[in-house]
Parts: sequence; C-alpha cells; structure tokens
Amino acid sequence: ETGVTQTPRHLVMGMTNKKSLKCEQHLGHNAMYWYKQSAKKPLELMFVYNFKEQTENNSVPSRFSPECPNSSHLFLHLHTLQPEDSALYLCASSQDLAGGPKAGELFFGEGSRLTVL
Amino acid sequence: DAKTTQPNSMESNEEEPVHLPCNHSTISGTDYIHWYRQLPSQGPEYVIHGLTSNVNNRMASLAIAEDRKSSTLILHRATLRDAAVYYCILRDYSGTYKYIFGTGTRLKVLA
Repeated sequence: ETGVTQTPRHLVMGMTNKKSLKCEQHLGHNAMYWYKQSAKKPLELMFVYNFKEQTENNSVPSRFSPECPNSSHLFLHLHTLQPEDSALYLCASSQDLAGGPKAGELFFGEGSRLTVL
Repeated sequence: DAKTTQPNSMESNEEEPVHLPCNHSTISGTDYIHWYRQLPSQGPEYVIHGLTSNVNNRMASLAIAEDRKSSTLILHRATLRDAAVYYCILRDYSGTYKYIFGTGTRLKVLA
C-alpha cells in the first residue's frame, strides 16, 4: 500500500465508449502525474499537475483528457480511443521539494490496465 | 527523451552483491539522480536518490561519480525478490519537477 489508489484496476472498452480512470492519494502531496506503460516500452510521462494546475502535457492526443479537481484526486477521461492505446496507466504523486531526505520521492499506484477493443 | 542510459539486462546470483550502472552525461547541476524499481505486475517503487554524495538506505546504496556523469546502484545481497526492472532517472525541473523514465535494466536473480 503506497497511499496512491487507482480505480478501476482493469478496464475493457470499445473505441466509441467514454470511460474514466481515477487516482486518489492520501499522502498530502501537491503534485500528481499520469504515465502510460505499453508492452515492452518505457513509462511515458503524459501529464503533470502541481497544486491542481496542469504544468506538463507531453503531446498527448486530445482523446485523453485529464482533470484535477483538487490536490488529492486526478482523473483521466477517455473517449474514442484506439486499440494502440491499450496499456497500463499509472498514476503517481510527490511532494515537490528542492532537496532533503524525501525530496521528490514518487509514489505510484498499482495502475489501471486498459484494453481497447 | 530519457537522459540516462542503462544496460538492458543483468544477471546475479542470489546472496551476491549487484552493481547496476547508469550513465547520465548531460546531467545538470540541480538534477537529482533517482532510482526506482518495478516488480512484475506492480507500479514502480522508490529505491534511493542522491545529488552529489553517496547515499545508503535499508534497500540499497547509491554511488555517484565525482563528475556526476554516472552512478551505480548497489544491492548488497541480491534475493529472488529483487528481480525487477531498475530505472535510473534524473529529476528534471522546468516549472515543475518531471521524472522521465528510460528503458531500465532488467535484473534476473539466479537461485
């Protein structure tokens, strides 16, 4: 248990469906992240939020729409996805600190495995 | 793009030390070096991080070269549970902190 909870753990959807992934952190962190991990590829950073403000969009297609209503919750809204979007979607959080013993340690959830048919 | 390079895979015998290398020749003065590992079917977990000095914690040690262009993660006694993909990343700051993962090193531990 890392303090970062992702739901659902598994999701199967058709290309015309609309679904959402949810991430919640109970660690009091100010930064939250979405990563995508496809088979045999490294983790790809998708979005970064800091104090609810989006600070990074790594050229992600608009069919992925993030939402951060507060520092504890992060959503990834999905619509008209393609089969190549099938992947493990990982949420992470951190406390943005410049230095010190716990500076910027990333805590990951267990991921939401998405299959697009 | 990832700013670190690591060997794709390494093997170790159980109960022996393991040295996992990482090159980061374009590191800037404020980049922290972080190591994470990902066990099968799990999200990555933090292992250790450092800036300039060598660091030790209960999981591992981190040795950082004097010019900071490379580092080595040291597992003092590998166990079967240490089999995982190990990622060396630089914590980049550009308005907010970013963590760009590379391909990592897949560590296989032999019984």
